[in-house]
Amino acid sequence: DAKTTQPTSMDCAEGRAANLPCNHSTISGNEYVYWYRQIHSQGPQYIIHGLKNNETNEMASLIITEDRKSSTLILPHATLRDTAVYYCIVREIGRNAGNMLTFGGGTRLMVKP
Amino acid sequence: EPEVTQTPSHQVTQMGQEVILRCVPISNHLYFYWYRQILGQKVEFLVSFYNNEISEKSEIFDDQFSVERPDGSNFTLKIRSTKLEDSAMYFCATGRLTYEQYFGPGTRLTVT
Repeated sequence: DAKTTQPTSMDCAEGRAANLPCNHSTISGNEYVYWYRQIHSQGPQYIIHGLKNNETNEMASLIITEDRKSSTLILPHATLRDTAVYYCIVREIGRNAGNMLTFGGGTRLMVKP
Repeated sequence: EPEVTQTPSHQVTQMGQEVILRCVPISNHLYFYWYRQILGQKVEFLVSFYNNEISEKSEIFDDQFSVERPDGSNFTLKIRSTKLEDSAMYFCATGRLTYEQYFGPGTRLTVT
């Protein structure tokens, strides 16, 4: 089962920042937070991942709380093409860790003009 | 930018038939995965494959399923005797390292 909780849906105005929350209160010390998105029925697309520090790349920023029990994915200037289902996934990384991704229901983000 | 490709994009088959879904991974990727998504449901892990053997598999991946890299490049998923409930989108994912997975566009399998 997914170890994360996300709102079912959110709306965002085009050009504004989209802030997508994720709760992972049972996260363990060696588990990372990953974000993927799925546009319509396409394959999931990797966005970003982090352990405890905030991360930023060309797509988004990831803010992880100090206690690591929650995080927020930020799309700084949402466009209509960012309309998708966003998945927050917690997984362990390491030699003996399983590599499977466990997807939950995600947040359906609707970017509106 | 290199991408994972999958063929066919849509496969229609009759119940009981065998199907083979193909994936061409990104060059130099060593880790391979199959996932499926039944219409309206979550993306589900099926199997992971590394160094020519299965690393992990889920309960869904029963004896009707098999995977291989027949020619060192393509990565295939075979369903021996398809059932109606196998109808789904099947996604291949590959990665160079254990912590990355890049997904292909998927194959829509329809079993009639």
